Amino acid sequence: QSALAQPASVSGSPGQSITISCTGTSSDVGSYSLVSWYQQHPGKAPKLMIFEVNKRPSGVSNRFSGSKSGNTASLTISGLQAEDEADYYCCSKRGANTLRVFGGGTKLTVL
Amino acid sequence: QVQLQQWGAGLLKPSETLSLTCAVYGWSFNGYYWSWIRQPPGKGLEWIGEINHTGSTNDNPSLKSRLTISVDTSRKQFSLKLRSVTAADTAVYFCAGESPGSRRYFFDHWGQGTLVTVSS
Repeated sequence: QSALAQPASVSGSPGQSITISCTGTSSDVGSYSLVSWYQQHPGKAPKLMIFEVNKRPSGVSNRFSGSKSGNTASLTISGLQAEDEADYYCCSKRGANTLRVFGGGTKLTVL
Repeated sequence: QVQLQQWGAGLLKPSETLSLTCAVYGWSFNGYYWSWIRQPPGKGLEWIGEINHTGSTNDNPSLKSRLTISVDTSRKQFSLKLRSVTAADTAVYFCAGESPGSRRYFFDHWGQGTLVTVSS
């Protein structure tokens, strides 16, 4: 069982928007604006898509956005494209030390 | 541009020690936090621990008793040793880095991953 809860799968058609949730606790997501999101294609290393809840690294499409409310963080992908089909993982700092915890991952299918 | 390249033994027997090394290519090594992360087949990611250029480490409490992370700044490399492995340690192991600055606890550089299988 993963530390952060994510839906196992989501799907959408090209051009649509989808949102992936990431639910933690008051010890991690709820206490820190240090949530990051990663995209992972099969057989590849994860790629940073969002950091500090809602910031995009240079080179990441503005179709990707993040938000947080209470103990739940969310990743929204707008204008879905075929290449967005991948697994997505959230990550948060937990507690006063440097422990990082991940979600179990969400498989995005572009129909 | 920072690039990470990792290597190590891919097949171990139970009770052996897992050993992986990650080399950093690019114009900077100091100031980063360098982590190890693993992913069991078909499962999610797990943070193992991290080290910086001074050798200061932070470990996942669930693995701390079996774990050693070290750094060689002269070679711009960092390493992972995990003792007494079992089948539960079978996973793809990634090295990763957090760019310098105030601590933001994300990973913006990744190695290619190494599959480590523990089997008798």
